[in-house]
Amino acid sequence: EADIYQTPRYLVIGTGKKITLECSQTMGHDKMYWYQQDPGMELHLIHYSYGVNSTEKGDLSSESTVSRIRTEHFPLTLESARPSHTSQYLCASSGLTGANYGYTFGSGTRLTVV
Amino acid sequence: GNSVTQMEGPVTLSEEAFLTINCTYTATGYPSLFWYVQYPGEGLQLLLKATKADDKGSNKGFEATYRKETTSFHLEKGSVQVSDSAVYFCALRGIYNQGGKLIFGQGTELSVKP
Repeated sequence: EADIYQTPRYLVIGTGKKITLECSQTMGHDKMYWYQQDPGMELHLIHYSYGVNSTEKGDLSSESTVSRIRTEHFPLTLESARPSHTSQYLCASSGLTGANYGYTFGSGTRLTVV
Repeated sequence: GNSVTQMEGPVTLSEEAFLTINCTYTATGYPSLFWYVQYPGEGLQLLLKATKADDKGSNKGFEATYRKETTSFHLEKGSVQVSDSAVYFCALRGIYNQGGKLIFGQGTELSVKP
């Protein structure tokens, strides 16, 4: 079944560690997005990609980086985690152009930096 | 620029009560409008959408009508259940697409008591 997968679901890690949050989709979608969701629920776009080798920063400045070497894979990396990075991270994809189509979201990664 | 404003939560209702969650938007032309739902610990799921003025989106007993004259897309359900407890996000996708990005409201938390 075509879907979008995020791993891990939960991660607790110490300050200064390097981490990579995985996002993969099996729908062949070109567009992919990373959102950071704060405890107040609001969604902040931090990165997006229009296709292979395309990455752009979103509306909220983030110390994380992303890569898009394969269509199906859009990992997010934090070189040195800090407590301020504690949040939920949501990955999404969209394969169709035009305004009529929404996103498909993964289940999210809840990151806690201690 | 495009924006979405939702009524503030949390909204607390008793089972079988009528639900309205207000959503208004600012956009050029005729954007597409969406409602997403986020259950605890999960990512967002598309609940319903409408792509042109006077369209009514519906799903799982929820409805929303695209009102161009009032720039609104209010979510309604005639009889809520405990299982409807979740966070609801209104979103739009502009006709100029802004790179395909959805613009989300800040989310409204719904709690339904038995």
